[in-house]
Amino acid sequence: DSGVTQTPKHLITATGQRVTLRCSPRSGDLSVYWYQQSLDQGLQFLIQYYNGEERAKGNILERFSAQQFPDLHSELNLSSLELGDSALYFCASSPGGRAPYEQYFGPGTRLTVT
Amino acid sequence: AQKVTQAQTEISVVEKEDVTLDCVYETRDTTYYLFWYKQPPSGELVFLIRRNSFDEQNEISGRYSWNFQKSTSSFNFTITASQVVDSAVYFCALSEIASYGKLTFGQGTILTVHP
Repeated sequence: DSGVTQTPKHLITATGQRVTLRCSPRSGDLSVYWYQQSLDQGLQFLIQYYNGEERAKGNILERFSAQQFPDLHSELNLSSLELGDSALYFCASSPGGRAPYEQYFGPGTRLTVT
Repeated sequence: AQKVTQAQTEISVVEKEDVTLDCVYETRDTTYYLFWYKQPPSGELVFLIRRNSFDEQNEISGRYSWNFQKSTSSFNFTITASQVVDSAVYFCALSEIASYGKLTFGQGTILTVHP
């Protein structure tokens, strides 16, 4: 158990809908990262938050947004969903700061868009 | 731009064989970190090792060992006396010091260990 929790574990929804994925980092970790894993794109970095502020952005679509709350949990919002958004979404956490610490990953949320 | 290449898509071995997973990386930074993660069939990503670019010493942890060679931009992972429980997808990843910890992953190597 990495100490990172993600809910829900599975999500099935229809095209055009909006969903919210939730992540709670390990105790004491200030940084939260979101990654998408799909068969064609592999593991791709989406976005990072550090202590409530956006720190880095990857290939995140404009339809996707995220935030980190004062209690450090984070939410990833996916809207106007398309079939191609079906993937495994991981959240990871680390202590944060400048040096790239090891990231501990949650169990993931498997999103299926039908 | 940073890039990680794991040329071996799939490897199949029989239990007790040694197996090496290759990882080659590209970066323009002089300060960077390399990682290996394991993704077993259950799906979670498990951290195995983190190495910084100034530490080329090889590391051994039980049956696992890592060989970091800056001259060839490689960070290879060897499992000695493989076991069925080692069957998983293994990912190599790179993080540049300027990227605030963002991980760039290779495509992964599927390792199957047969009894």
